[in-house]
Amino acid sequence: GQQLNQSPQSMFIQEGEDVSMNCTSSSIFNTWLWYKQEPGEGPVLLIALYKAGELTSNGRLTAQFGITRKDSFLNISASIPSDVGIYFCAGQSPGGSQGNLIFGKGTKLSVKP
Amino acid sequence: KAGVTQTPRYLIKTRGQQVTLSCSPISGHRSVSWYQQTPGQGLQFLFEYFSETQRNKGNFPGRFSGRQFSNSRSEMNVSTLELGDSALYLCASTLQGANTGELFFGEGSRLTVL
Repeated sequence: GQQLNQSPQSMFIQEGEDVSMNCTSSSIFNTWLWYKQEPGEGPVLLIALYKAGELTSNGRLTAQFGITRKDSFLNISASIPSDVGIYFCAGQSPGGSQGNLIFGKGTKLSVKP
Repeated sequence: KAGVTQTPRYLIKTRGQQVTLSCSPISGHRSVSWYQQTPGQGLQFLFEYFSETQRNKGNFPGRFSGRQFSNSRSEMNVSTLELGDSALYLCASTLQGANTGELFFGEGSRLTVL
């Protein structure tokens, strides 16, 4: 089946640093999304992207939908301790139903104060 | 506005038993999806329901089943439990007509199979 390759698997950074993570796929997606999961919680939607080339920001977060529709990246600027968590990319393939997403394996972010 | 509610939060079962998990979506959300989350496989789609009908199903054996009620609440059932079924089971709801992928997840039901 379809898979998303998300990298890096984990990051350990200093507070204030910028962070970048990305996802790639061998097949195209109609929608790219980025979710964050904290311990004991379900994933929470951060950013949704619906058009190839789209660049969207949400506060210190910026994400882009790749032109080829096969990749996406998420940047976090000036990281703070509450950014700690696991970040997942997710995609919805052409013809897929509304709630059927394919998720990457996640990037675990640790921030040192 | 109350979020997605899943019960029970934690449960322990033994191999061969069956389990039923419950999900109450956000009020007004009529679409419910279920995901299995494990350290090795990550988040994997189980099934999706809308208006009491299964709209889509992931690549899981027939031991995994679900249903949705007229009030949009959903249940999933796993029969003849195996050790590998130990996982966090997440339910997500979405507003029909909303942009695709905008799922609201519950906190999950953590199942341990001994």
